[in-house]
Amino acid sequence: DTAVSQTPKYLVTQMGNDKSIKCEQNLGHDTMYWYKQDSKKFLKIMFSYNNKELIINETVPNRFSPKSPDKAHLNLHINSLELGDSAVYFCASSQYSSGRSTKETQYFGPGTRLLVL
Amino acid sequence: GENVEQHPSTLSVQEGDSAVIKCTYSDSASNYFPWYKQELGKGPQLIIDIRSNVGEKKDQRIAVTLNKTAKHFSLHITETQPEDSAVYFCAAGYAGGTSYGKLTFGQGTILTVHP
Repeated sequence: DTAVSQTPKYLVTQMGNDKSIKCEQNLGHDTMYWYKQDSKKFLKIMFSYNNKELIINETVPNRFSPKSPDKAHLNLHINSLELGDSAVYFCASSQYSSGRSTKETQYFGPGTRLLVL
Repeated sequence: GENVEQHPSTLSVQEGDSAVIKCTYSDSASNYFPWYKQELGKGPQLIIDIRSNVGEKKDQRIAVTLNKTAKHFSLHITETQPEDSAVYFCAAGYAGGTSYGKLTFGQGTILTVHP
C-alpha cells in the first residue's frame, strides 16, 4: 500500500548514458514533483506537474525532461548523464486543490540514488 | 524568490532534553511552513506544519512557532528520544493562487539524541 513509489531505488551508470526514473502515486493527488538532494542533503525542487501539465520548471539543464502520462505518474528522463548529476532524486505528490480548501502536504517517495561514474 | 535559512546544521542532545531548530525566510508572501523529518535512506516525511494565520501549533512532543513580523519559525521537540535522531528540514511556501505548492527548503539539521 505504498503511497509514492519510485523505481529504481539505486542507479549506477556511466557518464554520457541516458537513464529514466519512474514515479507513481496511489493517493489520488493532482500534483507531482521532482526534487534533487545533493551530497550535502540540500533539497531543491526541479519540476512540478498539475493534472499532467508542467507548472514549475526551475533552472534545470534541458538534459532533464519530465513526462507525466497521467495524474498518477511522473517520470524523469536524463540525457547525457554527467558526474554532477549524482544525487538522490525524490518524487513527491500533493492534492493541491480540493473543493474549497487546498491541501499542501507533500508526500515523498523513498528516493532514487543515482551515481554517475 | 524565497530563501530559507536553517540553524543549527547539527544538534546533539541527551535523551530527555529539548531540541530547538530555527528557520528564517525572506518572502513575506509565504504563508505555509512545514517541517519534515528524514531518516537514513528514506524520503522526507511531514511531521508538523503551520500556516501564517496562527502563531503556534502543537502535536504531542512537537511544537512549531511562527513570527510573521520577524519572518522566522522554529521547531521544538521536548523529551527527545533516540528515535528522534534524523535530519530535519524546514520549508516555506505560498499555499494558494497559482503557486501549486512550491516549497523552498532549509539546509537541514542533523539531530542526534544520545541515550
